[in-house]
Amino acid sequence: GAGVSQSPRYKVAKRGQDVALRCDPISGHVSLFWYQQALGQGPEFLTYFQNEAQLDKSGLPSDRFFAERPEGSVSTLKIQRTQQEDSAVYLCASSPESGGTEAFFGQGTRLTVV
Amino acid sequence: AQSVTQLDSHVSVSEGTPVLLRCNYSSSYSPSLFWYVQHPNKGLQLLLKYTSAATLVKGINGFEAEFKKSETSFHLTKPSAHMSDAAEYFCVVTLYNFNKFYFGSGTKLNVKP
Repeated sequence: GAGVSQSPRYKVAKRGQDVALRCDPISGHVSLFWYQQALGQGPEFLTYFQNEAQLDKSGLPSDRFFAERPEGSVSTLKIQRTQQEDSAVYLCASSPESGGTEAFFGQGTRLTVV
Repeated sequence: AQSVTQLDSHVSVSEGTPVLLRCNYSSSYSPSLFWYVQHPNKGLQLLLKYTSAATLVKGINGFEAEFKKSETSFHLTKPSAHMSDAAEYFCVVTLYNFNKFYFGSGTKLNVKP
């Protein structure tokens, strides 16, 4: 498809388990963003990539969260030793420009930690 | 610092009546502002954006918003609601570099037949 694709759509993890969430941006898009959306709240910024460079990771809540985009296309958000407060929808967005004036969002991955 | 306040968590209107979703922002710099819509099980979709051009911005599906600097507001309106407008709407502010979006907490719009 032509949109931003995220997988898996749903993930249930036991507390303490590591998870990896994948984002396939629109082909050729320079910018890639990750956001976390807790239940009943608006999305909150996690991190931003320009090509393969992670230019801003100020929103990552702890050192258990790690994101990468090694070849400037697909990105993975990894959460180590998951905790219940990590339960949320994780949204990926991409933009053809540096920055997100025309950001296109994926459907998200709903993570539930039990 | 940047922030967005959406004044209503839920809005209910009858089909064919006007829609008003309120948004106030706080920004240390000249902001860019957006409205996104989120339908159930679908990704966020851009409705419209203000980036320092015309203060009255027209978007998709008949929505428009007016940037009022004196009131620090960016309210979303539509003259006549349609059943398909039922969704959650987010007001978003960002700075000139567009590297980080600040979302409001969202307004759920319900449209009654």
